[in-house]
Amino acid sequence: EAGVAQSPRYKIIEKRQSVAFWCNPISGHATLYWYQQILGQGPKLLIQFQNNGVVDDSQLPKDRFSAERLKGVDSTLKIQPAKLEDSAVYLCASSFRLAGAYNEQFFGPGTRLTVL
Amino acid sequence: GENVEQHPSTLSVQEGDSAVIKCTYSDSASNYFPWYKQELGKGPQLIIDIRSNVGEKKDQRIAVTLNKTAKHFSLHITETQPEDSAVYFCAAGSGGQGNLIFGKGTKLSVKP
Repeated sequence: EAGVAQSPRYKIIEKRQSVAFWCNPISGHATLYWYQQILGQGPKLLIQFQNNGVVDDSQLPKDRFSAERLKGVDSTLKIQPAKLEDSAVYLCASSFRLAGAYNEQFFGPGTRLTVL
Repeated sequence: GENVEQHPSTLSVQEGDSAVIKCTYSDSASNYFPWYKQELGKGPQLIIDIRSNVGEKKDQRIAVTLNKTAKHFSLHITETQPEDSAVYFCAAGSGGQGNLIFGKGTKLSVKP
């Protein structure tokens, strides 16, 4: 079974530029998560999708971050414009997600973003 | 909101020794507690989890204990091996929504 795919693996940009990250979850997984992991810290949830609907985006800085999962499969996370404090690893995860139950979250390898 | 504290931040043990990592949580509604292992350059991988209706769970050399009254849970690794060296994260979740709050991580080093 293929795992969660993310691209690119690394990205370096100047502050105020824009950047986009792509995630392809495990086939059949209804729930998709985007996390931000700052160096030396645990992952912090940015947004959670159930199929193509948003379940939780309370921690997403909506003035600069946006995410979509239009067809309920792949997802894109965008930052525009980027700030220095956005330097982090952006992790995508997916889970099968039976309603009302906890399912294992499978993480991708992440995209390491450096903002100069 | 939920807050998860994790200790220690670094842990160094000799091969064959045991390692213990402890976490506390603040939200009494939390009912799911997974532990993840993250190796350099990789995403976190689930190694064991426990639900609030269980006090202890074991899987070979790994065990997790939960004390709901004190709101803390611990990861125990016995007979440590060099390949156990990684960063370990605890997390807490509630409400069946799937979103998790992670601790800051423990870097475990197992010296041969």
